[in-house]
Amino acid sequence: GEQVEQLPSILRVQERSSASINCTYENSASNYFPWYKQEPGENPKLIIDIRSNMERKQIQGLIVLLDKKAKRFSLHITDTQPADSAMYFCAAITGGADRLTFGKGTQLIIQP
Amino acid sequence: DMKVTQMPRYLIKRMGENVLLECGQDMSHETMYWYRQDPGLGLQLIYISYDVDSNSEGDIPKGYRVSRKKREHFSLILDSAKTNQTSVYFCASRDRADTEVFFGKGTRLTVV
Repeated sequence: GEQVEQLPSILRVQERSSASINCTYENSASNYFPWYKQEPGENPKLIIDIRSNMERKQIQGLIVLLDKKAKRFSLHITDTQPADSAMYFCAAITGGADRLTFGKGTQLIIQP
Repeated sequence: DMKVTQMPRYLIKRMGENVLLECGQDMSHETMYWYRQDPGLGLQLIYISYDVDSNSEGDIPKGYRVSRKKREHFSLILDSAKTNQTSVYFCASRDRADTEVFFGKGTRLTVV
């Protein structure tokens, strides 16, 4: 099936610095790219998403960038806080097929 | 309040037993998904359903089957469970006209 590659698998950053997670996808027909945050023992929760007709989206301290030519999208968390420590997943939906394919996840650790 | 409900939340079964995982949603979403989550592997798509009796294999369908007889219910069935099917199973749903995918709280299945 379609692959979504996500890097890094583990990311340690100092509190109040920025964190960046990168994903690449294969299918140029993908048109929707959500990011999920998952706390231990909980279900994944949508934190931000971007559609293929956009290049950048920001919700407070979360920024998503989409480069369709390179088939790459990224999540940037600014001014990180301890509450940002969690597992983060990128995903891509291919239009028509409705298949939601996930990356393998990034464990984000915010160090004091 | 939009909701995806999974039952049971925890389940222990012996190898060779049949397992039924149930999922319900109250949003009349056409598309529903079953994923399993294992450490380091992210969320892997088992089956996707586009509506009643319209199901399609995901990336890892072997050992599983599904049933969708009503739009709001989507069941995952393991015939003769195996120990390597020990995992956390997530159900999700999505409205074709919208983009966000909603996840249930998961079922932790242990096969001994």
